[in-house]
Amino acid sequence: EPEVTQTPSHQVTQMGQEVILRCVPISNHLYFYWYRQILGQKVEFLVSFYNNEISEKSEIFDDQFSVERPDGSNFTLKIRSTKLEDSAMYFCASRTDRSSYEQYFGPGTRLTVT
Amino acid sequence: GEDVEQSLFLSVREGDSSVINCTYTDSSSTYLYWYKQEPGAGLQLLTYIFSNMDMKQDQRLTVLLNKKDKHLSLRIADTQTGDSAIYFCAESTDGATNKLIFGTGTLLAVQP
Repeated sequence: EPEVTQTPSHQVTQMGQEVILRCVPISNHLYFYWYRQILGQKVEFLVSFYNNEISEKSEIFDDQFSVERPDGSNFTLKIRSTKLEDSAMYFCASRTDRSSYEQYFGPGTRLTVT
Repeated sequence: GEDVEQSLFLSVREGDSSVINCTYTDSSSTYLYWYKQEPGAGLQLLTYIFSNMDMKQDQRLTVLLNKKDKHLSLRIADTQTGDSAIYFCAESTDGATNKLIFGTGTLLAVQP
C-alpha cells in the first residue's frame, strides 16, 4: 500500500543552523502539507502546497520557514535559522485532489534543537 | 477561533467498548476525522464523517455526530490491546486547502 515517507526520522541541530526535512508524498497526490507537534501539545497546521505554490499557511509559518517541491517526488520543509522552540515532531501529509478529504500522514521527523 | 477539545485519558478492559469524545467550536466544520497514533508512528486515518451525517459505522468503529452540540464520538467495540494508542479528533472546513485542526488527543489504555 502506498505511503508517505519522511527522512530523517530524527534530526539534531544546533540553534541558528539551517535544517531541511524531507518528505516523499504518495505518488498520485496533488496536495501536500506540513504539520508539527511540540511535545505534549496539539498537532498544528503549518502550510499547504498545491500546484507548486503555497495555498495556505499558519501564523507559525514565518519567514524562517520555506517549502519546496524540487522534483516530481520530494516535498521539503526548510527552517533557515533554527530556534529552541522549533524542537518538535514534524509531519508531512498528502491527499489526492480537491474531491478527496483524506489526508495521509508520514511517520514524522523528530527535530531537536540544542 | 477554531478549537477542538478531547479528554486526555481513557482506560478500558479488553473486550469492553471504548467511547472517545470530542467537542469542536467551528460551526462551519464540514468534515470531522478520527486519527490513531501508535507509539513512534505517524497519524493513521481511521475514519471521517461529513457534517450532514449523524452516524457512520466501519467494522468495530462507530462515529456519532451531534452537530447541534458540536460533539463527535468514536466508539470502538470489543476493544483489543492493539487498540492502545492516542486518538485524535480533527476538523476541517470545505475549501481547497482542507487544513486539519486537531484536538489534544486521548490516550486509550486497554487493560488485559
